[in-house]
Amino acid sequence: KQEVTQIPAALSVPEGENLVLNCSFTDSAIYNLQWFRQDPGKGLTSLLLIQSSQREQTSGRLNASLDKSSGRSTLYIAASQPGDSATYLCAVRQTGANNLFFGTGTRLTVIP
Amino acid sequence: EPEVTQTPSHQVTQMGQEVILRCVPISNHLYFYWYRQILGQKVEFLVSFYNNEISEKSEIFDDQFSVERPDGSNFTLKIRSTKLEDSAMYFCASRGGDGITDTQYFGPGTRLTVL
Repeated sequence: KQEVTQIPAALSVPEGENLVLNCSFTDSAIYNLQWFRQDPGKGLTSLLLIQSSQREQTSGRLNASLDKSSGRSTLYIAASQPGDSATYLCAVRQTGANNLFFGTGTRLTVIP
Repeated sequence: EPEVTQTPSHQVTQMGQEVILRCVPISNHLYFYWYRQILGQKVEFLVSFYNNEISEKSEIFDDQFSVERPDGSNFTLKIRSTKLEDSAMYFCASRGGDGITDTQYFGPGTRLTVL
C-alpha cells in the first residue's frame, strides 16, 4: 500500500526566506502528484499538479519537482510571506487508481 | 472561478442517527470523491463515483456508508448509523475527467461531530 511521508512536520521561518518542503512516497508507480494548502479548519486548495512524466511545475513563487524513481517530490517556496502560513499536503495518485493518498503534512509558519 | 461547495459546514448528531452530507461538485466534472480527515490525522479516501456508480472505495467505506447523485448537481454521502469514531471533517472533491486536467478540487468540508 502506498505510504506518503512529509518532512519536516513543522517549519518556522522568517519572512523573505526561501524554503523547501519534502514529500516521499513508497511506491513509484504513480500517475501524478498534487500539492495542496490547508488553512486551519478549512478545505484543501490545490497548488500544483505534476504528472508522472514531468520533472517540475511552477506557479508564481511556487515550484514543485518530482523524482519518481527515488519516490520524492519537493515544494519550493520563494520569498516566503506571512500569508504563506498554512499546512502543506502532498498527495499521490497511483497508476490505474482514481483516489489520492495523502501525506501527513508540513505546518509552515512564516514570521513577520 | 468554479468551486466545490458543501453543506452544512458543521453537523452535530447523536450516535446512531443517520446523517446526509451534501456536495455540489464543479459543473461538467465527471468524477466525484469523498474523503475524510479525523482531527490530527491524514486525509483518507472513502469513495469515488463515476458514471452514476461507485468506481472505487476504501476499507473505511463499509455498509454504513452510501453515496448518491440524486440529480444533475448534487452528490451526497449518507452515514446510516453514526458512531463516535465517525467524527471527522468530510471533504467532497471533483475532477474533470476530460483528459486535459487531472486536478482534484476540494470543497471546504463538513465537520461532523457525533455525540
